[in-house]
Amino acid sequence: DSGVTQTPKHLITATGQRVTLRCSPRSGDLSVYWYQQSLDQGLQFLIQYYNGEERAKGNILERFSAQQFPDLHSELNLSSLELGDSALYFCASSVDSGTYSEQFFGPGTRLTVL
Amino acid sequence: QQQVKQSPQSLIVQKGGISIINCAYENTAFDYFPWYQQFPGKGPALLIAIRPDVSEKKEGRFTISFNKSAKQFSLHIMDSQPGDSATYFCAASASNYQLIWGAGTKLIIKP
Repeated sequence: DSGVTQTPKHLITATGQRVTLRCSPRSGDLSVYWYQQSLDQGLQFLIQYYNGEERAKGNILERFSAQQFPDLHSELNLSSLELGDSALYFCASSVDSGTYSEQFFGPGTRLTVL
Repeated sequence: QQQVKQSPQSLIVQKGGISIINCAYENTAFDYFPWYQQFPGKGPALLIAIRPDVSEKKEGRFTISFNKSAKQFSLHIMDSQPGDSATYFCAASASNYQLIWGAGTKLIIKP
């Protein structure tokens, strides 16, 4: 158990809908990262927050947005969902914003768009 | 220049054999090279990492070999066991760069 929690574990929704994925980082970690992993694909970095501020942006679609709250939990909002958005979404956390810091991954949220 | 190229995409090794996964990078600024291990249904977890001041780092049956001049690094798993069956990701970063991930290698160890 990495100490990172993600809810929900599974999510099934329809095209055009909007969903929110939630992540609670490990105690003491200030950075949160979001990744998308499609079936048999690698990890696509979406976005990083550090202590409430956006730190880095990867291949995140305009339909997706995220934020990190004062209690350091983070939410990833996916809107106007398409079939291709079906994937595993991972949240990871690290103690600081440094690129040398170990990232601790949560168990993921499996999103299915029908 | 930001890519990390990982090969092979999949690998089948007999129990007791040596598993070797290779990664190559272009950006000479990269100075941190971790390997993450992901079991089915789980998130990745850091397995072992190396900085370019050493050419090899060993932790148990897992070894990273690093070739700075060739801009390549590899993961060797000695005496591979069925419990090592997982997807392995290499990655690279530097102080001003996000972690850049390889595409992953699905490793199957046959009993």
